Amino acid sequence: DTGVSQDPRHKITKRGQNVTFRCDPISEHNRLYWYRQTLGQGPEFLTYFQNEAQLEKSRLLSDRFSAERPKGSFSTLEIQRTEQGDSAMYLCASSLGIGTQNTEAFFGQGTRLTVV
Amino acid sequence: AQKVTQAQTEISVVEKEDVTLDCVYETRDTTYYLFWYKQPPSGELVFLIRRNSFDEQNEISGRYSWNFQKSTSSFNFTITASQVVDSAVYFCALSEENTGRRALTFGSGTRLQVQP
Repeated sequence: DTGVSQDPRHKITKRGQNVTFRCDPISEHNRLYWYRQTLGQGPEFLTYFQNEAQLEKSRLLSDRFSAERPKGSFSTLEIQRTEQGDSAMYLCASSLGIGTQNTEAFFGQGTRLTVV
Repeated sequence: AQKVTQAQTEISVVEKEDVTLDCVYETRDTTYYLFWYKQPPSGELVFLIRRNSFDEQNEISGRYSWNFQKSTSSFNFTITASQVVDSAVYFCALSEENTGRRALTFGSGTRLQVQP
């Protein structure tokens, strides 16, 4: 399978716990995006990387959210001190950007987070 | 700021009917891309089409067709002879090229139910 892979698919956690999600993009893709999707809504952009550089993080929902892509391959999204409002689907996408050109983004199946 | 509006929350049709999903967008950029994605119950967003702002030609792919009209800022999607397998949530999205990050702004989606 050469698509975008996310792990875990589902996560149930207690309020106040930290959680970390992993995304493995399509191998040749240099751009990686994180989105959040709540019930009945479209995905909402959170942050993106070009290779290992995090080029935008202003859309991260609070300072409890952080993301890394240490070697320009897989990425992790961490939520500290989870709150019930963090319950959502977290989607990862990747694309290939060369200069001003960019392919369409391909999405993983997402990680569904439930905070109880 | 950019915005995508999908006014139809849910559409129900009977198999073999044609159905059109509406999408209206707002952007100040002159260079942008428009997208349609399909989200089946499994949750993964499946890419359907990408159009750039300079190409207003309509496109047909099998039973799918897209009508892009800059004059009305619309990018509508028509499924001809709908099938039960078309049942899903469909999202229209916009990316602005001038910012460089090319993250997607999604509409809230239209849930299509095709009854047998």
